[in-house]
Amino acid sequence: QVTLRESGPALVKPTQTLTLTCTVSGFSLTTNGMCVSWVRQAPGKALEWLARIDWDGSREYVKSLKTRITISRDTPRHQVVFGMTNLDPLDTGTYYCARTILLSTVYALDVWGQGATVIVSS
Amino acid sequence: IQLTQSASPLSASVGDRVTITCRASQDIMNYLAWYQQRPGEAPKLLIYAASTLQSGVPSRFSGSGSGTEFTLTIASLQPEDYGTYYCQRLNASPFPFGPGTKVDFK
Repeated sequence: QVTLRESGPALVKPTQTLTLTCTVSGFSLTTNGMCVSWVRQAPGKALEWLARIDWDGSREYVKSLKTRITISRDTPRHQVVFGMTNLDPLDTGTYYCARTILLSTVYALDVWGQGATVIVSS
Repeated sequence: IQLTQSASPLSASVGDRVTITCRASQDIMNYLAWYQQRPGEAPKLLIYAASTLQSGVPSRFSGSGSGTEFTLTIASLQPEDYGTYYCQRLNASPFPFGPGTKVDFK
């Protein structure tokens, strides 16, 4: 069974750095075609795709946040780590990690974690 | 490449046939997925590659289209289908989502 679980602080102060961890099970982060994405959702707003790390270690980021975010992995620990610097209250929301699978030439976010709620407030 | 979706909310009754449209500003071939999000829950993959039903998703859901216009159809709306539906472009990074279409009670 494939599962993903997000963990990290629930409350962060403005200007601080956020680090979220996604612990995966049921698949390997290095298997061909396996990727992990981070997606966030501000309260009452739409989903926003943020970043992806692929089986070969390559990374992609949304352009609007590229200078503030990073994605990395700890393969032996089955973890993908998401970081965001210089937090603002507008970064408040639920952060999801999702397995992103490459099926032939098509990607899909097929299994999602339950989400981690992050509030940015002083 | 921007994605737009049918006006939200879309009000419907149990048993109705519901159609949600997603439009891309440029040709994205069939690189589109649909997700359902119920209140308080994580999104769930319904359709990928524009028309392929994800394993375990009821057959009343179907997807069609290619290029710039895509459709998600629910053949007969069930009570558990109420929620917000998002399309997502997946042909090249980044992978943006559409603004979402909320399906609520008529």
